[in-house]
Amino acid sequence: GAGVSQSPRYKVAKRGQDVALRCDPISGHVSLFWYQQALGQGPEFLTYFQNEAQLDKSGLPSDRFFAERPEGSVSTLKIQRTQQEDSAVYLCASSLGYKSGYLSYEQYFGPGTRLTVT
Amino acid sequence: AQSVTQLDSQVPVFEEAPVELRCNYSSSVSVYLFWYVQYPNQGLQLLLKYLSGSTLVESINGFEAEFNKSQTSFHLRKPSVHISDTAEYFCAVTPNRDDKIIFGKGTRLHILP
Repeated sequence: GAGVSQSPRYKVAKRGQDVALRCDPISGHVSLFWYQQALGQGPEFLTYFQNEAQLDKSGLPSDRFFAERPEGSVSTLKIQRTQQEDSAVYLCASSLGYKSGYLSYEQYFGPGTRLTVT
Repeated sequence: AQSVTQLDSQVPVFEEAPVELRCNYSSSVSVYLFWYVQYPNQGLQLLLKYLSGSTLVESINGFEAEFNKSQTSFHLRKPSVHISDTAEYFCAVTPNRDDKIIFGKGTRLHILP
């Protein structure tokens, strides 16, 4: 079946521009996570949704970062007034989560969106 | 808070030789431990996990990792590497099963012919 997809795969933005990154999780997955991976580093947590509820946004680095998942499926990560330090690969992951009383926690990762801010 | 330390950023090893990728974690609570692999130009994939029970866990492609609570380590080993094992390997922890994952900085495994 289809895995997690992300679009665009590459994005070049001029400093100060707004960007929107899309994540299509695996169908039926309840939990959705966003991570940021800077060059030469491991992924770092940004935010977590359970269905449409954003349960944890403690990793968002500033109020320029905003994420939503209005219908509990597709999610968008928006970065306003991009800065050079925002350059990174943005990873989305989904897991089945709690469903029908059963917890399946394995996170499946998308290929990422590479954002370059010039 | 949890953290993960991968002691080697890069490990070169000859094909068919054994390899160990080191990982230490710190946590004041029980954690679940993972190794993820990222092949060139591909997304992150779960390689193996420790949740509870046997401290030695294995993957389908010959890797194994041993949870050592006293040393807070979860080192990854393979007795004989293949060129197809070339990838970046990330050790990771989470305090709860459906929760954010905290990753190490990664170790690049470079297989020499």
